[in-house]
Amino acid sequence: GAGVSQSPSNKVTEKGKDVELRCDPISGHTALYWYRQRLGQGLEFLIYFQGNSAPDKSGLPSDRFSAERTGESVSTLTIQRTQQEDSAVYLCASSVERQGGWTQYFGPGTRLLVL
Amino acid sequence: DAKTTQPPSMDCAEGRAANLPCNHSTISGNEYVYWYRQIHSQGPQYIIHGLKNNETNEMASLIITEDRKSSTLILPHATLRDTAVYYCIVRAGSRTTDSWGKLQFGAGTQVVVTP
Repeated sequence: GAGVSQSPSNKVTEKGKDVELRCDPISGHTALYWYRQRLGQGLEFLIYFQGNSAPDKSGLPSDRFSAERTGESVSTLTIQRTQQEDSAVYLCASSVERQGGWTQYFGPGTRLLVL
Repeated sequence: DAKTTQPPSMDCAEGRAANLPCNHSTISGNEYVYWYRQIHSQGPQYIIHGLKNNETNEMASLIITEDRKSSTLILPHATLRDTAVYYCIVRAGSRTTDSWGKLQFGAGTQVVVTP
């Protein structure tokens, strides 16, 4: 079946503008995650949604970052008043319980460049 | 989640087996060992995971020591397309800890497969 999709694939914006990044998880996956990866660095956890539970927002770097998820489908990550340090690849993953573990499947990412 | 230790880099000849080690000496009884890889400019790709038994799938084999303090990912016949950063991660298989939802990626092992 289809994998995790993200849009846009690339986004260039000016400092101070707001951006919205979209993630479509794999159908039937109840958990959804957002990560950030700066150039040459590892993945940083941002936020995690699981069903109807309150999201785990512990990784959001500032109050300029927020995310929403509609039921068990699409999620949107919003960055307000973007800064140059927000430039990174934003990765979304969804997961399903499999053989006792919850395996995360990643999308291709959105490459954000803030000028 | 327990931390993992991996060598920073490894070269492998095309067609040969690649054996990637990972130390996770503080792993807990309910934590699984997961392996992901990230090919340049792509999102991480799930490879395999296991709890205590050795596992094999179409991509790789996972060998976990009896004391579970280390593991080895085996790519049986490396190809040029296997060049990537390989991440070894340990995480709980059930929602028993606050950090359950997060995959904590370390620096990984940069594997370069040469002709």
